[in-house]
Amino acid sequence: SQKIEQNSEALNIQEGKTATLTCNYTNYSPAYLQWYRQDPGRGPVFLLLIRENEKEKRKERLKVTFDTTLKQSLFHITASQPADSATYLCALEGDSGGYQKVTFGIGTKLQVIP
Amino acid sequence: EAQVTQNPRYLITVTGKKLTVTCSQNMNHEYMSWYRQDPGLGLRQIYYSMNVEVTDKGDVPEGYKVSRKEKRNFPLILESPSPNQTSLYFCASRGGLYVTQYFGPGTRLTVL
Repeated sequence: SQKIEQNSEALNIQEGKTATLTCNYTNYSPAYLQWYRQDPGRGPVFLLLIRENEKEKRKERLKVTFDTTLKQSLFHITASQPADSATYLCALEGDSGGYQKVTFGIGTKLQVIP
Repeated sequence: EAQVTQNPRYLITVTGKKLTVTCSQNMNHEYMSWYRQDPGLGLRQIYYSMNVEVTDKGDVPEGYKVSRKEKRNFPLILESPSPNQTSLYFCASRGGLYVTQYFGPGTRLTVL
């Protein structure tokens, strides 16, 4: 069955540094991948979407890469701030998983230390 | 303001007592989904709908029902709730594929 793994349950970094979060998947050929931010007790908020034929996407301080050969996506937050502290989720959809069936990873909790 | 609303936000009930969690979106989206979120398991899709009267099972549909009689509403029905359905539930909607999915604020359900 398809499986998504996100690196470590928690990641602590110093303010101003670049945070890099990993999303690996197996038994899956997604059409695209999404990243979300989730704060405690709240619904996920969409951040970025990247398609299988795209290598990289950027939005302000955020950057996502997608390597379908390695079956991996990297999510970068540059010049991190304490306000970036949250849980970040990756989600895959499409192709072998079927459209509309969205599979989420369990998330990585990021703590940015002032 | 574009939004997805859910009601109730918090609910404590007893085993076997039928309940409905409502979900409504004001963005005229065709696609809607229900998820549950549990510690260590993450978000798992329960049901999804591609349009009015078109629904399909997600990964964990057992014990749940849905209906889509109107485009804006997608209620989640638990006919006979059990304690293992205690969870945080999210409704979501979007206008198509490859676009932003908007989530509701969540409904925290406890089944005693």
